[in-house]
Amino acid sequence: AQKVTQAQTEISVVEKEDVTLDCVYETRDTTYYLFWYKQPPSGELVFLIRRNSFDEQNEISGRYSWNFQKSTSSFNFTITASQVVDSAVYFCALSPVPSSGSARQLTFGSGTQLTVLP
Amino acid sequence: KAGVTQTPRYLIKTRGQQVTLSCSPISGHRSVSWYQQTPGQGLQFLFEYFSETQRNKGNFPGRFSGRQFSNSRSEMNVSTLELGDSALYLCASRHPGLAGGSSYNEQFFGPGTRLTVL
Repeated sequence: AQKVTQAQTEISVVEKEDVTLDCVYETRDTTYYLFWYKQPPSGELVFLIRRNSFDEQNEISGRYSWNFQKSTSSFNFTITASQVVDSAVYFCALSPVPSSGSARQLTFGSGTQLTVLP
Repeated sequence: KAGVTQTPRYLIKTRGQQVTLSCSPISGHRSVSWYQQTPGQGLQFLFEYFSETQRNKGNFPGRFSGRQFSNSRSEMNVSTLELGDSALYLCASRHPGLAGGSSYNEQFFGPGTRLTVL
């Protein structure tokens, strides 16, 4: 069984502060994918990043960065110099590595509501 | 390219009724997945369809069903609605990839259908 835990239910920061969203996962698979999605008030899930389990390089994309540590089963997400537009619910998710014909369902964490105050 | 579209966006039903939700994937995408999002249970996988065949189903009662048409459009049906079925239902489409199944391609989510059961 797969499980994703986002212990932070809500985080509130002031604009320009850095913020880190935590994600811890459990899986018996030796290879898997990890994801972060953003859900603004409109409801649509917006894909942010996918990470393969055998690629532990950290990644930076503009103000976003991700820290993947397989040893601690964590995949944390940091927003640098946060902006009001970053306010949303952020979901961490896990998926098995697909093989032909297999399902590719995402197991989501419960989400972290990020509020960035002006 | 147009994104994933879901109709209707909002729906109000009463207990005992049935409902059909529609999802049109991105052109060229043949895989469609459905997810239910509720405040209590979060985002949960319902089922995935590929080439008109259900690949996998999540842990939902038989009242939840779906199908996919030859043009990849998908519908999900919930019969005998219960109050607990009130949720945001999200559809996601995915390109199958070169091998038709063995590579991972991102899921793109639609805006969802918000179902309220009274």
